[in-house]
Amino acid sequence: AQSVTQLDSQVPVFEEAPVELRCNYSSSVSVYLFWYVQYPNQGLQLLLKYLSGSTLVESINGFEAEFNKSQTSFHLRKPSVHISDTAEYFCAVTRSGGYNKLIFGAGTRLAVHP
Amino acid sequence: NAGVTQTPKFRVLKTGQSMTLLCAQDMNHEYMYWYRQDPGMGLRLIHYSVGEGTTAKGEVPDGYNVSRLKKQNFLLGLESAAPSQTSVYFCASSYDGPYEQYFGPGTRLTVT
Repeated sequence: AQSVTQLDSQVPVFEEAPVELRCNYSSSVSVYLFWYVQYPNQGLQLLLKYLSGSTLVESINGFEAEFNKSQTSFHLRKPSVHISDTAEYFCAVTRSGGYNKLIFGAGTRLAVHP
Repeated sequence: NAGVTQTPKFRVLKTGQSMTLLCAQDMNHEYMYWYRQDPGMGLRLIHYSVGEGTTAKGEVPDGYNVSRLKKQNFLLGLESAAPSQTSVYFCASSYDGPYEQYFGPGTRLTVT
């Protein structure tokens, strides 16, 4: 079975500072990995995904994540955050090929301060 | 497109009452999911469906039932509500598997 651990429940950061949200997974088979974002009082939205190919994936709003198979990690980074990035971020994993479920981590609340 | 909509947005129930949450999607997606979100626990899968007329249990199915009579709708039922079912419920849909799910705005349910 797959599982996901998000190592930080809350990450406070000042505007324009870099940030890293950490995600580790466990699985005995190949996986697909995702980051979802939840803005206050909204549903989740897909931020980026790793299915195959390049281990570095990027979102349209400046976030990137790197799949590291040896360390079973998929950390999310942004070099310079904005107030509008304040949200909760969820890492998720599913088994590659023909599996129906997505397993979510507990979430990391990113608070960007001016 | 409305995407994924959920009805109602808020509800307060007394212990033992029943209710149905409605999820509707207009994207012709095959897969639909019901999750509950509790503080510090992320999202946990309650039930899901891989197509019209199908349902399957997720991680936390006890106390809930579902039906998918029409492709665009996925209903979540609570037959006898308990305080432990106080949560925010999210519905999601996807085209061909769990890979890119589109979420509704959520239903906040309180059971007293």
